[in-house]
Amino acid sequence: LAKTTQPISMDSYEGQEVNITCSHNNIATNDYITWYQQFPSQGPRFIIQGYKTKVTNEVASLFIPADRKSSTLSLPRVSLSDTAVYYCLVGGLRGGKLIFGQGTELSVKP
Amino acid sequence: EAGVAQSPRYKIIEKRQSVAFWCNPISGHATLYWYQQILGQGPKLLIQFQNNGVVDDSQLPKDRFSAERLKGVDSTLKIQPAKLEDSAVYLCASSSIAGGLNNEQFFGPGTRLTVL
Repeated sequence: LAKTTQPISMDSYEGQEVNITCSHNNIATNDYITWYQQFPSQGPRFIIQGYKTKVTNEVASLFIPADRKSSTLSLPRVSLSDTAVYYCLVGGLRGGKLIFGQGTELSVKP
Repeated sequence: EAGVAQSPRYKIIEKRQSVAFWCNPISGHATLYWYQQILGQGPKLLIQFQNNGVVDDSQLPKDRFSAERLKGVDSTLKIQPAKLEDSAVYLCASSSIAGGLNNEQFFGPGTRLTVL
């Protein structure tokens, strides 16, 4: 199972675009990359998932280079409510184990 | 649809006591997970059920922790006896058909356990 490395913390201001990069050098061919968000006193919540290139949904974009050894979660125009911990995970589908790292604590300031 | 329900939300016990947590997953979700989240760390999978069978319990401390999902719906996680290092949030999650198309897991609010 691939390990992931992400910054422990990041600061941003409201309205800015935030990019959080995750390193996963040992990603396997059948691994997908998934990001979760966790607010204090809540369980994690699925944000986005991808395999290669770019994926976009209503809340975020996920950029994955050709070698897939890293990925970048992009949050456009963050607000105070985006202050949370963001986890990058790699793993297979269909029952693959989710391994959470330490996550990135994002703090959005006014 | 209703989310994953967990109870109690908070529990304080003394070491060597027993404690049990309850989880009711999203209706129709075949897969249920229990995680332990220690303050400042990411969640760690303790056990995964597929219907009422155990898929993965490799990180469950079986000398003190036990879990069951007898009818393939709700589940209980028990700690007996508790140790100080068991203080953590215990999260329950569920997903459809062993993860479904993207293995998205839906988490409950968790039970915060404090062992004194």
